[in-house]
Amino acid sequence: NAGVMQNPRHLVRRRGQEARLRCSPMKGHSHVYWYRQLPEEGLKFMVYLQKENIIDESGMPKERFSAEFPKEGPSILRIQQVVRGDSAAYFCASSPPSSEAFFGQGTRLTVV
Amino acid sequence: AQSVAQPEDQVNVAEGNPLTVKCTYSVSGNPYLFWYVQYPNRGLQFLLKYITGDNLVKGSYGFEAEFNKSQTSFHLKKPSALVSDSALYFCAVRAPGSARQLTFGSGTQLTVLP
Repeated sequence: NAGVMQNPRHLVRRRGQEARLRCSPMKGHSHVYWYRQLPEEGLKFMVYLQKENIIDESGMPKERFSAEFPKEGPSILRIQQVVRGDSAAYFCASSPPSSEAFFGQGTRLTVV
Repeated sequence: AQSVAQPEDQVNVAEGNPLTVKCTYSVSGNPYLFWYVQYPNRGLQFLLKYITGDNLVKGSYGFEAEFNKSQTSFHLKKPSALVSDSALYFCAVRAPGSARQLTFGSGTQLTVLP
């Protein structure tokens, strides 16, 4: 059983471009979470999704950020018109309905 | 709102000595508590969790943690540290019955000196 798979591992974008981060949960996991880790800081919750539903997006910035978890395929975190302050490590985690979350290795976004 | 405090940014310990990484929490109701470890440029690895039951929880790699409700603490411990234990450790809490996301502490960098 492969772990949580995130790609790409590293992503470089120029200011104003779009960033798409992908997350494939572990097999059998129906819950997906996205977290952001800024340099020298802990992880901050962004959004919690189940298949085709956003359950809690209280940690998502109000503009430019969106997330989806379609019926088929990976979860996508999309950042439009990136700015330098978006540079961070973005971690995806997945879990079954009643167990701990397992984390992917993260996508390190650098905005230049 | 729930919160987690890891009062030490850095903990240094000599190899073979016991180690403790501190964590205190604030949450309504009975908490779900977790420890994760992060190695450089890697994701978080689950170490252990407390949901209910015995206050002393045993986890991966010889780590254990003690839940203390009166002190609202969940300190991570290991009887004998290894150099390979050097990493960034995060404590996290989730309130029961609520949305399932974790609230993380700011992390403690553990360095085990040979």
